[in-house]
Amino acid sequence: EMHLLESGGALVQPGGSLRLSCAASGFTLSSFAMSWVRRAPGKGLEWVATLTSSGKNTYYADSVEGRFTVSRDNSKNILYLQMNSLRAEDTAMYYCAQGTFYYDPWGQGTLVTVSS
Amino acid sequence: EMVMTQSPASLSVSPGERVTLSCRAGQSIFTSLAWYQQKPGQSPRLLIYGASTRATGIPARFSGSGSGTEFTLTINGLQSEDFGVYYCQQYSNWPQTFGQGTKVEVK
Repeated sequence: EMHLLESGGALVQPGGSLRLSCAASGFTLSSFAMSWVRRAPGKGLEWVATLTSSGKNTYYADSVEGRFTVSRDNSKNILYLQMNSLRAEDTAMYYCAQGTFYYDPWGQGTLVTVSS
Repeated sequence: EMVMTQSPASLSVSPGERVTLSCRAGQSIFTSLAWYQQKPGQSPRLLIYGASTRATGIPARFSGSGSGTEFTLTINGLQSEDFGVYYCQQYSNWPQTFGQGTKVEVK
């Protein structure tokens, strides 16, 4: 069974950095495109970033372009989201999910709070 | 980016009833539409993709229809475990965008 487990969420000050991890089990990350999706408090879902299965191409939402970087460690089977220059509006539950266009399965999420 | 509009924003339904949720795209997305269910404290679960194809393990009481700009998710015989927020998502245009969600409460 495919399973994803996020970690790394925390309380961070505006302007700070954080790296989220998404550990995969039951499948090999490098065989699939993987994405990050977030849900801010009281709001709906927002796609954040995608890494293609080849690992050669990345795509980002305009709201995070230039600040977030998605990457993968094939040896550990872990997906990452490096988040820099964090803003209050980045506060959200962050989910990793398999897929480029639609997403299945999803991890349980990790909470990022940006506040002073 | 493509705006996805869901209606109603919320509804309260008795178990056993039929529920119809709507999703409208700002322009034609053909059948590039997915539906998700999210229960409190849980991650979203894919229900439907390609507008009408049930994801693996999804009960037959969930069905999707539509194409172009108008889409519907139908739950035939709502069960108590079906409460939650339902989101539509288009993947025809980049970036993929979600609707704001419809909250389904069970009476």
